[in-house]
Amino acid sequence: KNQVEQSPQSLIILEGKNCTLQCNYTVSPFSNLRWYKQDTGRGPVSLTIMTFSENTKSNGRYTATLDADTKQSSLHITASQLSDSASYICVVSDLNFGNEKLTFGTGTRLTIIP
Amino acid sequence: AAGVIQSPRHLIKEKRETATLKCYPIPRHDTVYWYQQGPGQDPQFLISFYEKMQSDKGSIPDRFSAQQFSDYHSELNMSSLELGDSALYFCASSLGVSGSWGSYNEQFFGPGTRLTVL
Repeated sequence: KNQVEQSPQSLIILEGKNCTLQCNYTVSPFSNLRWYKQDTGRGPVSLTIMTFSENTKSNGRYTATLDADTKQSSLHITASQLSDSASYICVVSDLNFGNEKLTFGTGTRLTIIP
Repeated sequence: AAGVIQSPRHLIKEKRETATLKCYPIPRHDTVYWYQQGPGQDPQFLISFYEKMQSDKGSIPDRFSAQQFSDYHSELNMSSLELGDSALYFCASSLGVSGSWGSYNEQFFGPGTRLTVL
């Protein structure tokens, strides 16, 4: 069964500090891995999308890494801001006979305190 | 830029009633996906449509049905509502389905419809 596990489940850090969120997956066949930011009660918003050939990708203060061999990904947030408080969801896509299916992680709830 | 539109944003129904949720994909997107997210849970894939035909089916109850229309908007019809159907229902759209290894078509999510069943 395809699974995506994230850690930690929740994280509280001071504004301005950096943090790293982890994602481990067992999804086959692997197509791509995405990190989404989801504010409470809102739809997920894409931060990065990475294929198996990409090791690192940045989007502003967000930097994602991918190790396709160990099936691990991380999302690093630098100089955190209060608006970064949200759930961060790791989503892995498989691609089977032209049908793409997303497997969602349970997310990391990040709280930034002033 | 235009995003995925869902309506209504909030819906309150009683048990055994019916509900219809609507999704308007990003212009020129031809694939629509429906997800259900319960409180504190990750989104669960329900069903998807590509070019007005069902392309994949997930954990959609038999009480639910969906379709995609000629203008690519989609509707999720829910009957005999149960308390456990209370959730956020997300619609996502993409441009086609990726057909080659290592490529992808990003799914863009709508703001969701919050359904409360009393």
